[in-house]
Amino acid sequence: KAGVTQTPRYLIKTRGQQVTLSCSPISGHRSVSWYQQTPGQGLQFLFEYFSETQRNKGNFPGRFSGRQFSNSRSEMNVSTLELGDSALYLCASSLNGQGDNSPLHFGNGTRLTVT
Amino acid sequence: SQQGEEDPQALSIQEGENATMNCSYKTSINNLQWYRQNSGRGLVHLILIRSNEREKHSGRLRVTLDTSKKSSSLLITASRAADTASYFCAPEGTGFQKLVFGTGTRLLVSP
Repeated sequence: KAGVTQTPRYLIKTRGQQVTLSCSPISGHRSVSWYQQTPGQGLQFLFEYFSETQRNKGNFPGRFSGRQFSNSRSEMNVSTLELGDSALYLCASSLNGQGDNSPLHFGNGTRLTVT
Repeated sequence: SQQGEEDPQALSIQEGENATMNCSYKTSINNLQWYRQNSGRGLVHLILIRSNEREKHSGRLRVTLDTSKKSSSLLITASRAADTASYFCAPEGTGFQKLVFGTGTRLLVSP
């Protein structure tokens, strides 16, 4: 089975712009979660989608949004980028979602740099 | 949801030695998971131990869970340079709670 695929791998954007990141989960997995990783804050949970519905949300401003499609692929969008949004964005898929004894399978992330 | 706290923050050992890292958490759990992250990459799931289990093995990895002390430990035996990575624990509660990761233990295994 192919693993979790995240595109693009690297991205450079300017402050004020918006960005869309993509995640293709492992085939058959219905849950996709997104995390932001920075040296200062560590790994922080953004949101989880299960069967196209947002099931959990972290403490991020409304500039961060996501969605999940019927084929379980997910996108996250960040609008009005700030320098502090520079981070490694990780996507993880699982069979039945968090809280269901389903381990997370992570992609290798999208490295976003905001200048 | 709750965050696990890993200890120590950093660990430096020689190849062939054993590495032990610990995790503490605060409230009751459904299971506890351990993950590894190599620099700049995604996390890799290592082991999931359920709340009714006390010990679990996978290759050179041994995980213990003590629910009375709300703690877990990960032992890597006969470490190799390739084990150099950050290790995270993630306690998972019941229901559809989000999985929260701590700051991890950075393990450096020198040849």
